[in-house]
Amino acid sequence: QQQVKQSPQSLIVQKGGISIINCAYENTAFDYFPWYQQFPGKGPALLIAIRPDVSEKKEGRFTISFNKSAKQFSLHIMDSQPGDSATYFCAASMSGNQFYFGTGTSLTVIP
Amino acid sequence: DVKVTQSSRYLVKRTGEKVFLECVQDMDHENMFWYRQDPGLGLRLIYFSYDVKMKEKGDIPEGYSVSREKKERFSLILESASTNQTSMYLCATNYRARGYTFGSGTRLTVV
Repeated sequence: QQQVKQSPQSLIVQKGGISIINCAYENTAFDYFPWYQQFPGKGPALLIAIRPDVSEKKEGRFTISFNKSAKQFSLHIMDSQPGDSATYFCAASMSGNQFYFGTGTSLTVIP
Repeated sequence: DVKVTQSSRYLVKRTGEKVFLECVQDMDHENMFWYRQDPGLGLRLIYFSYDVKMKEKGDIPEGYSVSREKKERFSLILESASTNQTSMYLCATNYRARGYTFGSGTRLTVV
């Protein structure tokens, strides 16, 4: 059973556009929601994370929006660049130990 | 920054062989994890460990075992490799309630 559901599976965005990736979860005990970015041939790297006591967190061009009542969270990439082309994973955990991952979104930003 | 080193980037093994995947972290973290990554399935947890000589099964432990004799080293063992274990294997570590740091991965092909 997939603990965290992620969509879309793939996404193509024009340079300068906004990329949006969505995730949903069921377990209300989750208290930490990170996003990971993975380039080909590399392991995933922590990009940005949020805890459920805030509705939004922004770091540069990357923003997490969190909707606790809907049990959904999303990653927004503003002014998307070709260098943002990668696979993105959302995740959730309880107390920061074991993480449950979404199935990933392959983002392609075309010039 | 934490460094997580996986001993091999690419491995090709024959069906039935015993395979060892090694992972070493340099930050004295208690928590270490082994995931496998497959297209469309995301990252699935195989085994994890919260301390030396301690191990817990993840979501897909069948056909695998682990060893943690020292805090910094966590080994994944494929007792008798099969073709359905062809995958990307990722080792990760974290500290308390923080996100994972992943290694670069080992791409294993079983022929």
